[in-house]
Amino acid sequence: DTEVTQTPKHLVMGMTNKKSLKCEQHMGHRAMYWYKQKAKKPPELMFVYSYEKLSINESVPSRFSPECPNSSLLNLHLHALQPEDSALYLCASSWNTEAFFGQGTRLTVV
Amino acid sequence: DAKTTQPTSMDCAEGRAANLPCNHSTISGNEYVYWYRQIHSQGPQYIIHGLKNNETNEMASLIITEDRKSSTLILPHATLRDTAVYYCIVRVDQSNTGNQFYFGTGTSLTVIP
Repeated sequence: DTEVTQTPKHLVMGMTNKKSLKCEQHMGHRAMYWYKQKAKKPPELMFVYSYEKLSINESVPSRFSPECPNSSLLNLHLHALQPEDSALYLCASSWNTEAFFGQGTRLTVV
Repeated sequence: DAKTTQPTSMDCAEGRAANLPCNHSTISGNEYVYWYRQIHSQGPQYIIHGLKNNETNEMASLIITEDRKSSTLILPHATLRDTAVYYCIVRVDQSNTGNQFYFGTGTSLTVIP
């Protein structure tokens, strides 16, 4: 199984809502990542988890809160987002190999 | 972080070889060069990677210069399905914090019938 599964595929949320994005992999990878991608731009690294601990936070606003409950799961909790946070959110996993990416969650903040 | 620079866009005739260049002049000795492609807002797809030797797989070939400051991805017989944005990435090795993959601006490749 070389898949990274992200749910939901699409999400529309209001600026006062709280929602979560989920990511799952069963490749035994010990590093997991969140990326944000705006239209016609490259993916931007947001967070890196290594051995279930947050190791990299690329100065992401606190309205984005990552969580790694176990080695297979990665969540991104969203609260009080702004319309400019609308983007494709990509999850990836890796360990001494190439990174495998999920298909992303298309988030629209209204 | 080692940065990469790529041409913004390229065209290639169907059936011909597509050669996509990448500059990574600040690459460190233990940093790998990776290539990914992304088709219309799908997740990025791994193509190939290398350290210093040239590499080939079923998808492409990777040519890395001897000084490692640049590389070229070669798609030997481009098809319309190869139309995508191609990203050259230098993987930052951090064994304790997880390897980091930073995307450059990418090259939008259009394969023309």
